[in-house]
Amino acid sequence: GQNIDQPTEMTATEGAIVQINCTYQTSGFNGLFWYQQHAGEAPTFLSYNVLDGLEEKGRFSSFLSRSKGYSYLLLKELQMKDSASYLCAVRGGGSYIPTFGRGTSLIVHP
Amino acid sequence: DGGITQSPKYLFRKEGQNVTLSCEQNLNHDAMYWYRQDPGQGLRLIYYSQIVNDFQKGDIAEGYSVSREKKESFPLTVTSAQKNPTAFYLCASSERGSTDTQYFGPGTRLTVL
Repeated sequence: GQNIDQPTEMTATEGAIVQINCTYQTSGFNGLFWYQQHAGEAPTFLSYNVLDGLEEKGRFSSFLSRSKGYSYLLLKELQMKDSASYLCAVRGGGSYIPTFGRGTSLIVHP
Repeated sequence: DGGITQSPKYLFRKEGQNVTLSCEQNLNHDAMYWYRQDPGQGLRLIYYSQIVNDFQKGDIAEGYSVSREKKESFPLTVTSAQKNPTAFYLCASSERGSTDTQYFGPGTRLTVL
């Protein structure tokens, strides 16, 4: 199976930049997803990385290093509405279905 | 509007009763999934289906059952055999392809009294 590790909780200030890390161990890596989930709501897709490097989408960017088993989600110009849980999910081990980490709860304060 | 719907949003049941959670999608996706989410836990896969009339057990299938009679629908039954059924249940679907990105419904919060 996959072993996925993310910090449980992070706090940051409105307008700042925050980096949420995700480390994983899997055989046959085949993609990494980031989702945002507000409390009591559905996870919404943010990004997908399968090759090394940085993918940028507006205020959000995601980075992957396959050799290090490491990814991060970078959130710039933080807004209060960015307070949410961020889920890292890894696909590998011969399955097309990703395994989810426990999520990182981000609290943005004024 | 294309999307995934789950109903109801909140559901209460007495212990020992079976309950069925609805999941419908009009995205024309082949694959559908059921996850369970508990506080402080990641999403755990209960069942998934890649095509109509076929489904597979996930990591925590005990005490649950599903059917996939139509492409659009993938209902989940929580049986009385499930020891700790109170949780947030999420349904998802994906188009089989290079990324297989999953799109989630709004979830059903089940409370067993």
